Amino acid sequence: GQQVMQIPQYQHVQEGEDFTTYCNSSTTLSNIQWYKQRPGGHPVFLIQLVKSGEVKKQKRLTFQFGEAKKNSSLHITATQTTDVGTYFCAGIGGATNKLIFGTGTLLAVQP
Amino acid sequence: DAGITQSPRHKVTETGTPVTLRCHQTENHRYMYWYRQDPGHGLRLIHYSYGVKDTDKGEVSDGYSVSRSKTEDFLLTLESATSSQTSVYFCAIGDRGPRSGNTIYFGEGSWLTVV
Repeated sequence: GQQVMQIPQYQHVQEGEDFTTYCNSSTTLSNIQWYKQRPGGHPVFLIQLVKSGEVKKQKRLTFQFGEAKKNSSLHITATQTTDVGTYFCAGIGGATNKLIFGTGTLLAVQP
Repeated sequence: DAGITQSPRHKVTETGTPVTLRCHQTENHRYMYWYRQDPGHGLRLIHYSYGVKDTDKGEVSDGYSVSRSKTEDFLLTLESATSSQTSVYFCAIGDRGPRSGNTIYFGEGSWLTVV
């Protein structure tokens, strides 16, 4: 079945450093979504990418969807302590309607 | 936040007992989902519903059943709970199908411990 992997599993940065998490799918995705989950909280939608090669920005966050629509990345510039949490990608591949989540990347930011 | 209520929020139960988790929404969304979250596995889809009485299996459906008799309620039942089902369970809703680029909204989660 469809698998979505994320790397790294965990990243610890100093405040002000940049951070990137990568999402790789075993199948071509129709779209990809990104979510953020604060410690002890629930996942919250950040953004959706649909087109091959698409790039979207939200303030310090930059999201990319690969040309082959099998991978994606989230880059945070100049991290802040408010960026702490787990970032998940999620996508749909094949002929299903099942939104499959990646394994997540836990970001820790040291002040 | 979207109008999603999960109950109970916390439960401890014994192995072999049946458990039902309830997800109630006030958004009249068509799609509802149950995910479980475990360390190292992220969020895994258990079952989802695309309308009243219309459900389908997810990635990890064994040992779970669901029912949706009304738009607003989606029930997840563990027929005979096992320790491997100790997890955090999240309900989610969406107004369009995932292929339509539907944003889904998550409930607060239900912490289940099977002893």
